[in-house]
Amino acid sequence: GAGVSQTPSNKVTEKGKYVELRCDPISGHTALYWYRQSLGQGPEFLIYFQGTGAADDSGLPNDRFFAVRPEGSVSTLKIQRTERGDSAVYLCASSPGQGGDTQYFGPGTRLTVL
Amino acid sequence: GQSLEQPSEVTAVEGAIVQINCTYQTSGFYGLSWYQQHDGGAPTFLSYNALDGLEETGRFSSFLSRSDSYGYLLLQELQMKDSASYFCAVQAGTALIFGKGTTLSVSS
Repeated sequence: GAGVSQTPSNKVTEKGKYVELRCDPISGHTALYWYRQSLGQGPEFLIYFQGTGAADDSGLPNDRFFAVRPEGSVSTLKIQRTERGDSAVYLCASSPGQGGDTQYFGPGTRLTVL
Repeated sequence: GQSLEQPSEVTAVEGAIVQINCTYQTSGFYGLSWYQQHDGGAPTFLSYNALDGLEETGRFSSFLSRSDSYGYLLLQELQMKDSASYFCAVQAGTALIFGKGTTLSVSS
């Protein structure tokens, strides 16, 4: 079946702009995660959804970052007033259960803030 | 705080065996996972250890010692396609906490 998909694959924006990154999880997966990966680093946890609700948003770096999953499937990560330090690959992952299951990652969105 | 330590780079030749170690310090621990990531690709799951001992999956094995806060990934019969980054990750609650990764270079 189809894996996790993310759009766009690349996004270039200017400092101060607003961006939205989309994640389509594997069908039927109730858990969805967002991570951020900088060059030479491991993925860094941002937020975890169980169904429609954000069960753990402790990894969001500040209030410029926000994510939604209104129908319990597709999720959107929103970044306001982007800064150059936000440049990274944003990864989405999903898993079938309550958390602690194997996570299946999407290919990521490479965000570049000029 | 939470931290994971793994070597930054490992090199080996085709057919060899390589062990990538991971030590961790976390508040709360459910298990240790290993992920592989090729350049420009998505991390893909390799193995998960919740209990002490060795888990074997084909050419890859993973070991965990909870008392030592230590684990390793063992790759046997190395192939060129195994050249990638390997991350250990701790399941601490619902999120995965990743190490910085080990870049494995396999040469012929």
